[in-house]
Amino acid sequence: ETVLTQSPGTLSLSPGDRATLSCRTSQNLGSTYLAWYQQKPGQAPTVVIYGASNRATGIPDRFSGSGSGTDFTLTINRLEPEDFAVYYCQQFAGAPWTFGQGTKVEIK
Amino acid sequence: EVQLVQSGAEVIKPGESLKISCKGSGYNFITYWIGWVRQMPGKGLEWMGIIYPDDSDTRYSPSFQGRVTISVDKSINIAYLQWSSLEASDSAMYYCARHHRPSRDPRDFFEYWGQGTLVTVSS
Repeated sequence: ETVLTQSPGTLSLSPGDRATLSCRTSQNLGSTYLAWYQQKPGQAPTVVIYGASNRATGIPDRFSGSGSGTDFTLTINRLEPEDFAVYYCQQFAGAPWTFGQGTKVEIK
Repeated sequence: EVQLVQSGAEVIKPGESLKISCKGSGYNFITYWIGWVRQMPGKGLEWMGIIYPDDSDTRYSPSFQGRVTISVDKSINIAYLQWSSLEASDSAMYYCARHHRPSRDPRDFFEYWGQGTLVTVSS
């Protein structure tokens, strides 16, 4: 089973700051089989980035994804109030598909 | 418009069985993998398994294999998640979600999500 390790666990930032979230995987995923999701309290997750670097439909361009192999990054430039949430990475290269444990981006 | 509508919250006693549902609409139901994700209170997301409605090919996480059954009724566009004997540790929010691409290849992410079904197991 591929293990995904996200860091940091919590990121305390102010609106307008840049958020940098890391996801490290125990196996090589290439550059295709990783997605990032955003989850706000009381809501279902929504996909933000897929294929490591492709923004999902309707996602603003302040969100960007990068990385390949075993190291991936989600960057959120100029944080807006609606961006404060929990973010999960997920791999779908090898069964079972797995999620990271999440990074909470909270208002400082 | 793609929609996944899940059945309502359940309160169940330990040892009882349960089947929750997820109805897909707005797309060709049989050609997209659909799956289930568990979220225990205050915790992260756990991938449980997926099913391809056209032929019911099902893949489970080892963590859930034998504990749950994922099935589908393609005649009415509904996917199911069921337990034969619930435990208190099964109390969680369960989400269904659909893959991004209409493909037989199961390697894909979840693009559309249901609203979640809260299952509470308590005596």
